[in-house]
Amino acid sequence: ETGVTQTPRHLVMGMTNKKSLKCEQHLGHNAMYWYKQSAKKPLELMFVYSLEERVENNSVPSRFSPECPNSSHLFLHLHTLQPEDSALYLCASSPQRPGQGSGANVLTFGAGSRLTVL
Amino acid sequence: AQSVTQLDSQVPVFEEAPVELRCNYSSSVSVYLFWYVQYPNQGLQLLLKYLSGSTLVKSINGFEAEFNKSQTSFHLRKPSVHISDTAEYFCAVIPNTGRRALTFGSGTRLQVQP
Repeated sequence: ETGVTQTPRHLVMGMTNKKSLKCEQHLGHNAMYWYKQSAKKPLELMFVYSLEERVENNSVPSRFSPECPNSSHLFLHLHTLQPEDSALYLCASSPQRPGQGSGANVLTFGAGSRLTVL
Repeated sequence: AQSVTQLDSQVPVFEEAPVELRCNYSSSVSVYLFWYVQYPNQGLQLLLKYLSGSTLVKSINGFEAEFNKSQTSFHLRKPSVHISDTAEYFCAVIPNTGRRALTFGSGTRLQVQP
């Protein structure tokens, strides 16, 4: 496989469930990201990891817990979510961490995981 | 901090007509500018980017965008659209210094009608 792969593509869960979203990149990139895409709103950056180290956390509720075991894999663990957390969760990767390298650090996105919280 | 405004949430247009999708940004420092496209049930794909040099940048499928520093704009244009251009288009910025990640606008849905 090439690019950025996200699983599952669709997930329905109750507010008391625990589930995880998985992202895998096959590009040899050093940084990975989680974004939340809600209807009619800008994409919200949730977390940034660079070489397995969390480098940015944008005031995300603790019911979202990221994990980056290596530079190719990124997880988003979900626990006691609320209906307003229903959204498309996008994973992305980039060659370097934000601010490094010459020129801009272009992101490659996965297709997303559509989450519905009942 | 940076912000991006895409005033039009939806733009309906007939096939072969010209289109302009508007993007304005706010930043206290110089920025790089991007347009991403999201086709149905897919992730975002980079369409074009402005880093430096010529203010007019072009994509391989006929879109172009012009960086206007005085108006802090980066509008996306295409002289003749196709049905296959139906998608959501996102404008994004990133400061050219510092460690911030991309800041996106809320997106514009382009609906091309036959």
